[in-house]
Amino acid sequence: KNEVEQSPQNLTAQEGEFITINCSYSVGISALHWLQQHPGGGIVSLFMLSSGKKKHGRLIATINIQEKHSSLHITASHPRDSAVYICAVNTDKLIFGTGTRLQVFP
Amino acid sequence: NAGVTQTPKFQVLKTGQSMTLQCAQDMNHEYMSWYRQDPGMGLRLIHYSVGAGITDQGEVPNGYNVSRSTTEDFPLRLLSAAPSQTSVYFCASSRTRLGAQYFGPGTRLLVL
Repeated sequence: KNEVEQSPQNLTAQEGEFITINCSYSVGISALHWLQQHPGGGIVSLFMLSSGKKKHGRLIATINIQEKHSSLHITASHPRDSAVYICAVNTDKLIFGTGTRLQVFP
Repeated sequence: NAGVTQTPKFQVLKTGQSMTLQCAQDMNHEYMSWYRQDPGMGLRLIHYSVGAGITDQGEVPNGYNVSRSTTEDFPLRLLSAAPSQTSVYFCASSRTRLGAQYFGPGTRLLVL
């Protein structure tokens, strides 16, 4: 079993929809990252959080340390949000999930 | 600032050939890492460095060498390319070892 599991693996949405991507982990962590990988391949760090919630524009990341779970929400989704979203956790190293592929259609 | 740069963007090698993937950053980050990304798998750490002159192995180091002679540069060397090394390679830098990672654009490598 992978130490970091993301769901769903693939997600399609209509423009304007509210989107949730989930990340569950089975190890003790000090922090969790959300990253975005664009269709061209580039990877950008979105959030790093160790408790509570962070918000940047239309993106919101939450984490529940007790439940070992984090969510990434996208409000008012747009086609430019189409990307692979990757969760990673800090243990003594970074452990990456396999990503959630999101496609937003106009 | 250019951030993290990688060259080449794409490379085709024959089995047994050697090559160096270049990585440079201009953010004065002490920590630099090399990852490979394969279909259906998360990013996996190959080698990392905590500062000039200091390198260490990651999860999948076999077949790769690194060096860190300056803060800016962290080249990855494939000693004798194998088809199993076909992958997309990302270099990353960070202010702290497990802090927010700044990734390069990636190098797509095909080994025939």
